[in-house]
Amino acid sequence: AQSVTQLDSHVSVSEGTPVLLRCNYSSSYSPSLFWYVQHPNKGLQLLLKYTSAATLVKGINGFEAEFKKSETSFHLTKPSAHMSDAAEYFCVVTLTQGAQKLVFGQGTRLTINP
Amino acid sequence: NAGVTQTPKFQVLKTGQSMTLQCAQDMNHEYMSWYRQDPGMGLRLIHYSVGAGITDQGEVPNGYNVSRSTTEDFPLRLLSAAPSQTSVYFCASYRGGDTEAFFGQGTRLTVV
Repeated sequence: AQSVTQLDSHVSVSEGTPVLLRCNYSSSYSPSLFWYVQHPNKGLQLLLKYTSAATLVKGINGFEAEFKKSETSFHLTKPSAHMSDAAEYFCVVTLTQGAQKLVFGQGTRLTINP
Repeated sequence: NAGVTQTPKFQVLKTGQSMTLQCAQDMNHEYMSWYRQDPGMGLRLIHYSVGAGITDQGEVPNGYNVSRSTTEDFPLRLLSAAPSQTSVYFCASYRGGDTEAFFGQGTRLTVV
């Protein structure tokens, strides 16, 4: 079975400073990993995905994530936070074979201080 | 493309009432799922389907029923609504593997 743990329920940073949202996963097989963002009262939008082609994945709006198999982690980063980044972020894991359920982490709320 | 269409957007039910949340996708995706979102708990999987005629339970299936008679539609039925089912519900569809999942806009359900 697969599972996801987002290590911080809330992260607060100042505008212009780096962002780090942490995600650890557990999976019996080769996983597919995603980060989704949800702005207030909105649906979910894909930020980026890990496809096994490269361990460092670039997404939209300047976000990146690095897949580290040895640490079973897929942390999301951005060099410089913008006010528009304030949202809830979800790390998601699924299998690349078998019954491909999407399993969500608990979410991390990102607050940007002016 | 419409993507994933989820209706209604808002609903208030009385305890014991039943209702169906509709979800339709026009992308010919095999996989469809229903989630509920509660504060601090992320999205929890209620039921999912890997194709027409095939459904399975997720993490929190009690009180909900699903069927998948066509590839396009995946309705979620609340059999006898309870206040604990007050939540925001999302439907998703995806092709599988490392492809992107597409989500409906959500249904905010209140059970009084």
